[in-house]
Amino acid sequence: QVQLQQWGAGLLKPSETLSLTCAVYGGSITDYSLSWIRQSPRQGLEWVGQISHGGGTKYNPSLKSRLTVSLDTSKNQFSLKLTSVTAADTAVYYCATETVVRGVYITTPYSYSYIDVWGKGTTVAVSS
Amino acid sequence: QSVLTQPPSASGTPGQRVTISCSGGSPNIGKNFVYWYQQLPGAAPKLLMYRSSQRPSGVPDRFSGSRSGTSASLAISGLRSEDEAEYFCAAWDDSLSGWVFGGGTRLTVL
Repeated sequence: QVQLQQWGAGLLKPSETLSLTCAVYGGSITDYSLSWIRQSPRQGLEWVGQISHGGGTKYNPSLKSRLTVSLDTSKNQFSLKLTSVTAADTAVYYCATETVVRGVYITTPYSYSYIDVWGKGTTVAVSS
Repeated sequence: QSVLTQPPSASGTPGQRVTISCSGGSPNIGKNFVYWYQQLPGAAPKLLMYRSSQRPSGVPDRFSGSRSGTSASLAISGLRSEDEAEYFCAAWDDSLSGWVFGGGTRLTVL
């Protein structure tokens, strides 16, 4: 079973950059898509962004202008950078792997992925 | 405000059957599988149901899931005290090109 270990700064001032890293153990990150999700009392669970095993990214439109998700295959890690943080970015941030499923329906190939393993979460507070 | 709508709370007594609903729209539940997660206090969410009705190994068959149109539901039969947790639904949203979640349902076992 894949396990995730995540780390990063937990207390930031407004306008600073949030940086988190997630290491994947028990599997290769090239076998998965990888996501960041955050959770706060105000917003509940909110998808932040995703990076595929090939390096392609998808971002939540509300965060896209400030967000970068990247992959380091040599270390089996992926990272999140969110610039110009405000109090609204205060949340528990989770990294997660997405199992990728591929198949063929009649003659049409398909693929989809789903979030299965979650990291333990990193509490990030933004306060002056 | 969450894209998927769940009741904020549900409750039942040990042994009872409880159902939690999740309502969405055409771009998400209407076109894609639904996933359910269980979150115990102070812990990360754990996958409980995938592809709307499939249980990962280790999840008891007391848990079942279904999807119809733009809604889905999670049923828990033979309720046990250890089922007390928060339950979230999720689906890929084709309009957002990303994941959307329900607001969560806190289940209390009376």
